[in-house]
Amino acid sequence: NAGVTQTPKFRVLKTGQSMTLLCAQDMNHEYMYWYRQDPGMGLRLIHYSVGEGTTAKGEVPDGYNVSRLKKQNFLLGLESAAPSQTSVYFCASSSWTSGSLSGANVLTFGAGSRLTVL
Amino acid sequence: DAKTTQPPSMDCAEGRAANLPCNHSTISGNEYVYWYRQIHSQGPQYIIHGLKNNETNEMASLIITEDRKSSTLILPHATLRDTAVYYCIVRVVGGSARQLTFGSGTQLTVLP
Repeated sequence: NAGVTQTPKFRVLKTGQSMTLLCAQDMNHEYMYWYRQDPGMGLRLIHYSVGEGTTAKGEVPDGYNVSRLKKQNFLLGLESAAPSQTSVYFCASSSWTSGSLSGANVLTFGAGSRLTVL
Repeated sequence: DAKTTQPPSMDCAEGRAANLPCNHSTISGNEYVYWYRQIHSQGPQYIIHGLKNNETNEMASLIITEDRKSSTLILPHATLRDTAVYYCIVRVVGGSARQLTFGSGTQLTVLP
């Protein structure tokens, strides 16, 4: 049971380049999230999804796009990378469980993707 | 979601109980208390959550005061591997999914 898998784990980009971070979960979770964490700071939500084919903006969505074409995958795209997007990106997922609505806030996180934009 | 207040840092001796406090004086009746931790450079890890009763699992115990305005996460026998930032989050359940807000948390250092 792999849980939440993020690829790649490390990436270095030049300003203006584009890339996609992939998040895959094998728990059949409905909800998926992308967070970023800058040094010494807490996590900030970029985008999230409540189900296949749906996405929504979080706290810091500018400069990012997302897609959820399959329930198990959540992609985070940077169309034109900027040095301000240098960060560690975490993907997470969660699920409503019948009889346990509080479980929707029990997130399983991936190991993170460290992105450096030069 | 109600605001939470945690001390920025705490130390604990290895093998002793670590008691991490969290103040959430504006908590409402349908808000749960969640605890997560983040070991350096890793993704956050869910620990435990509760509404008003004390809860215990294999990782920790959660004690919520009767008025629900504060709670304490207890790691009964802290080890060096418990050194991490611990986040206390208050969150409503039901309705549409929205973000969990991770604040600054408490940096727990377990000392040998």
